[in-house]
Order: sequence, then structure tokens, then C-alpha cells
Amino acid sequence: DTEVTQTPKHLVMGMTNKKSLKCEQHMGHRAMYWYKQKAKKPPELMFVYSYEKLSINESVPSRFSPECPNSSLLNLHLHALQPEDSALYLCASSQGLALNYGYTFGSGTRLTVV
Amino acid sequence: GQQVMQIPQYQHVQEGEDFTTYCNSSTTLSNIQWYKQRPGGHPVFLIQLVKSGEVKKQKRLTFQFGEAKKNSSLHITATQTTDVGTYFCAGLHSGAGSYQLTFGKGTKLSVIP
Repeated sequence: DTEVTQTPKHLVMGMTNKKSLKCEQHMGHRAMYWYKQKAKKPPELMFVYSYEKLSINESVPSRFSPECPNSSLLNLHLHALQPEDSALYLCASSQGLALNYGYTFGSGTRLTVV
Repeated sequence: GQQVMQIPQYQHVQEGEDFTTYCNSSTTLSNIQWYKQRPGGHPVFLIQLVKSGEVKKQKRLTFQFGEAKKNSSLHITATQTTDVGTYFCAGLHSGAGSYQLTFGKGTKLSVIP
């Protein structure tokens, strides 16, 4: 299995809703990432997990809460989002943190906040 | 923060013409990676360059890493419609003390059949 699977593919949520994005990989990768991508922009790093521990939090607002239940799963919990948070949320994984490895990206969750 | 500049932002070519995108950093990069994102898709890893002056080829794609490890390029020979997409470089700056990719803004390639 050489894929990163993200669910759901599309999500529409209101500003008072609570939702979660899920990411799963079975490649034995020990580093996992959340990225946010706005239209016509590059991916922006949000969070990095290494060996299930949060390694980097790129000053992301607390309305985004990551969780790494085990080495194969990564969640992003969403609460009280704003319309400007609408974007493509990408999960990625790599064999390790050291940049000797390329990232494998999932197909993303396209989020619309109304 | 650290930045990787990428040009051009857009490139329209006739099918069969060549295409090049360039990345530049003001500080030395540990390595650089290249990704391709098709319209409506997600970034797909193409290659990584680590050594100064390194050149790697994948069929019609040629990747170069500068001698000073501050710049890189991707060249596509004889473009095809399947090459359409946005090409991103992503690099790590030496001494950053963290492990994260800084993406360039990407070059969107359109190929006219």
C-alpha cells in the first residue's frame, strides 16, 4: 500500500460545527503532516508529527486541533471555523523527518466553511 | 521566514516545445524536492536533489541543483499535454533547526495541443 487516504473528500460545515478530517497510511512512515492549500497557492505547513508526537505547530489557530492516535492515523479536529478557513487540507507522510525522503500526499479534503 | 522563489508563475507552451522552471533561495539549501500537482489533484513527489551540482533525469524531465545549493531547475523536453499541471519546488534551508519543506509558489504549465 503506497497511498495516503484522506476522508472525507469534500466537507461543508457551518461556523458553529465541529468536524474531523481523517488521514491514514500503511507504509510504515513515521512522520505525518497537515498542510493547508488555498487556490493557486502552494501548500502551507500546519502541523508535523514524528513518531506520534507533535513536532511542529506553525502558529495555527486553536480552532484547528491535530491528533495522532497511532503511527498510521492522523486526525484534524475542526471547531468554530471561519469562512477564510475554506481550503484544500492535505495530509502527507514520509519515512522520517529528515529530508532524505519525499512526501506522499493524500488527495485532500476540500473544506468549505459557510 | 525562509523563502524559495520560483519563476515563472505561469508558462504556456505549444506541444513539443521545451519548458523550464527555476527556483532560487537566498540561503543554502540542504536539499530540494520537486512536486507536480495536476489540476484538481494533489502534489506528487517527483524527485529529490541533495548534492551540489547534481543532475538527475526522468525520461523527458531533467532536474538540476546548483553548485552553491541555492538554486534548482526543472526542464521538460518536448512537452506533452500530459505534462499540464503546477510544478512546485520545495527546499529545506541549512541550519533551520527544523524539518519542514518550504514550497515555492509553483509554475503552472499549460500545453497547447
